[in-house]
Amino acid sequence: EAQVTQNPRYLITVTGKKLTVTCSQNMNHEYMSWYRQDPGLGLRQIYYSMNVEVTDKGDVPEGYKVSRKEKRNFPLILESPSPNQTSLYFCASSLGHPAAKNIQYFGAGTRLSVL
Amino acid sequence: KNQVEQSPQSLIILEGKNCTLQCNYTVSPFSNLRWYKQDTGRGPVSLTIMTFSENTKSNGRYTATLDADTKQSSLHITASQLSDSASYICVATNFGNEKLTFGTGTRLTIIP
Repeated sequence: EAQVTQNPRYLITVTGKKLTVTCSQNMNHEYMSWYRQDPGLGLRQIYYSMNVEVTDKGDVPEGYKVSRKEKRNFPLILESPSPNQTSLYFCASSLGHPAAKNIQYFGAGTRLSVL
Repeated sequence: KNQVEQSPQSLIILEGKNCTLQCNYTVSPFSNLRWYKQDTGRGPVSLTIMTFSENTKSNGRYTATLDADTKQSSLHITASQLSDSASYICVATNFGNEKLTFGTGTRLTIIP
């Protein structure tokens, strides 16, 4: 089954404790992206990757890091989480850039709380 | 500034009824517009994608329309079902910088 898998689904942590949210897709997609979703705001892009070893900042990259060592995996790293990073996070993938009418497939989401 | 505004914010209708959700965008230059359905606790799922030259696109009981002149889109749901209860998100894409701008969604609740 074609899917985007995020782990963990729920995470509670404390300020400053490094964490990683994993994302994996089994569709051989080149484009992957991370978004955060906050109440009253639309989805906002954090980082994206056009292909292996190619990553770039989205609209809200501060406090986040990513890597793309393999095509299928695109982990999101919070080196020193802060309470303002409490949010619902989504990983997404598409065959090519979504602006070119490529369908984006989203993971089920990771709900993060930073205390 | 690129913006996508959706209305209403929330909507409650009886099962079996039709409804229409609205999306206005100021993204320019415009490339394409898409509608997503997001069930509670799940990721968004693509419903339709339309370029500026397409006026309508259907996906089962979902029909999206686009008026690129007035920068408006609508999503019409026919014969609603309980499973249609979800948030519906409109997304407009810039031509050139390829930025996606997401609306905040319309929360639709279908009651029996």
